[in-house]
Amino acid sequence: DTGVSQDPRHKITKRGQNVTFRCDPISEHNRLYWYRQTLGQGPEFLTYFQNEAQLEKSRLLSDRFSAERPKGSFSTLEIQRTEQGDSAMYLCASSGQISTDTQYFGPGTRLTVL
Amino acid sequence: AQTVTQSQPEMSVQEAETVTLSCTYDTSESDYYLFWYKQPPSRQMILVIRQEAYKQQNATENRFSVNFQKAAKSFSLKISDSQLGDAAMYFCAYYSGNTPLVFGKGTRLSVIA
Repeated sequence: DTGVSQDPRHKITKRGQNVTFRCDPISEHNRLYWYRQTLGQGPEFLTYFQNEAQLEKSRLLSDRFSAERPKGSFSTLEIQRTEQGDSAMYLCASSGQISTDTQYFGPGTRLTVL
Repeated sequence: AQTVTQSQPEMSVQEAETVTLSCTYDTSESDYYLFWYKQPPSRQMILVIRQEAYKQQNATENRFSVNFQKAAKSFSLKISDSQLGDAAMYFCAYYSGNTPLVFGKGTRLSVIA
């Protein structure tokens, strides 16, 4: 069990650019979650996958955001045409087979949009 | 919608002393799960303790214990024998299996040597 990993850990981009983040869940975890955390706030849910199926999306996830988990293993979160308001920590979490299993978090990707 | 409220933005405790962090939540569901997560500065969020709502017994994990009051919808975290490494943001979170994990805004805990 190597834990949830995320890459990159930090990303600085200019407004209008596209960015993509990757999350590798704990092996054998079939549920994967994305959250966004802004300064001084708790994480807010963005979307989650069960295996390769994206089962729920938050209204926070605008059309500029897209997430994939093509083979039910790692996941990517892409933000197109970034805006300064997208600056935040993007957290990934994974959990096991049962919906009530505890979610374990990765270290996050800190995005700064200039 | 479920909400989680942490009314203490900041708390401080002397090393070796005990501190209690407060959390209240709002839900109409009877079966759910409550968590305390710890987020040290610039480090990842880790699980401190988990409580199933159907269990009457309060969860404990070494120096960490909770006071779960289901009727009052209260879920406080007690940290005994506080250590410098306990300094972090602490987040209370709610999960029912039908909703995403819902977090409070967090309490920043400082430990004074």
